[in-house]
Amino acid sequence: SQTIHQWPATLVQPVGSPLSLECTVEGTSNPNLYWYRQAAGRGLQLLFYSVGIGQISSEVPQNLSASRPQDRQFILSSKKLLLSDSGFYLCAWSVQGMFQPQHFGDGTRLSIL
Amino acid sequence: DAKTTQPTSMDCAEGRAANLPCNHSTISGNEYVYWYRQIHSQGPQYIIHGLKNNETNEMASLIITEDRKSSTLILPHATLRDTAVYYCIVRVGGLGNNAGNMLTFGGGTRLMVKP
Repeated sequence: SQTIHQWPATLVQPVGSPLSLECTVEGTSNPNLYWYRQAAGRGLQLLFYSVGIGQISSEVPQNLSASRPQDRQFILSSKKLLLSDSGFYLCAWSVQGMFQPQHFGDGTRLSIL
Repeated sequence: DAKTTQPTSMDCAEGRAANLPCNHSTISGNEYVYWYRQIHSQGPQYIIHGLKNNETNEMASLIITEDRKSSTLILPHATLRDTAVYYCIVRVGGLGNNAGNMLTFGGGTRLMVKP
């Protein structure tokens, strides 16, 4: 069966520091991968998605970036974190193709001080 | 993409059926309806999805009206562990976009199952 792992589960970072969140998927090949952010008490906002290695599409302008160095690895990064980057970050995967459901990891709760 | 409207919150007695409504009056012909739920501090969990026929799986049933402008998620025997925020989502169907199954999450319905 397929599994998705995100780490770390929680992270506290100072303003201006860099960020690297990692997500890996097991048990499937060539998945679509997604990064979402959920601000406290609000719905999810799609940040990035990827259909293959090295292919990244950005949904919203921000100081975050994403990379997919391997088929089942998705990384969310920032060079300098802002206070507004605080939130709950979720990675998801889906089988390629239209209308396939997405499956989420347990998320990383990021607090910027 | 079509937007959805859900009640902010609902209560349900343990053991009874929970019926969660969703309006999506601007849905287009090739858009599916998806339901997810999120238990506090966890990632969203996929529940069920459908196009126009009613669907049932081990978790829930999805009833879609004939005009497809609304749907209802039914949890047949709610338990305390079903307490969560339930999201109704209409999927963007981008032609030629292999990653067109992006999901736009709104505020959802906070379901409280009470003993």
